[in-house]
Amino acid sequence: ILNVEQSPQSLHVQEGDSTNFTCSFPSSNFYALHWYRWETAKSPEALFVMTLNGDEKKKGRISATLNTKEGYSYLYIKGSQPEDSATYLCAFSGGSNYKLTFGKGTLLTVNP
Amino acid sequence: ETGVTQTPRHLVMGMTNKKSLKCEQHLGHNAMYWYKQSAKKPLELMFVYNFKEQTENNSVPSRFSPECPNSSHLFLHLHTLQPEDSALYLCASSQEAGGPLNEQFFGPGTRLTVL
Repeated sequence: ILNVEQSPQSLHVQEGDSTNFTCSFPSSNFYALHWYRWETAKSPEALFVMTLNGDEKKKGRISATLNTKEGYSYLYIKGSQPEDSATYLCAFSGGSNYKLTFGKGTLLTVNP
Repeated sequence: ETGVTQTPRHLVMGMTNKKSLKCEQHLGHNAMYWYKQSAKKPLELMFVYNFKEQTENNSVPSRFSPECPNSSHLFLHLHTLQPEDSALYLCASSQEAGGPLNEQFFGPGTRLTVL
């Protein structure tokens, strides 16, 4: 059974704060790590797909890093805005069948 | 907009009812998925269809019956559900199932309540 853990479960920050959260996943048979942003009542939206150890991706104020050897990825948000409030999901793709295994997500609330 | 739509968005049904959830993708993808999200749990894969063929049934009870008439449409037929089946049901699509990147695009989900 593949285990994908995200921490913290939830996070409250003030507008303008920078923040980060963690996704840990099995370090063997790794293929890809996905980050999704999920606003309430909307579709999960793909942020990044990361495949290479040491990879770093950036989209505006959001960036992510990947360490496949130790099995973790960080998502960073610089200068948080209220519209960043959402659940951030990570999903691991690995093993023999490439299925996505999801974490429970980190719920971010940015207070104005 | 992700290009994946789901209807209805909300559904309340009794345990003896029969209902269906519908998913449509406008992305030209060949794989479609049903996921279930229960409270406090991660997304759980239920079914996978690749080129209209079911390739995965993740030990889902037979009261859930999927149907994929073509690569753009996916249904989940529901009958004699239990209250514990109340959850958010998400549909997703990808270019092809089984690819190593397997980037999936999600619909907004159907919030199902079983009374």
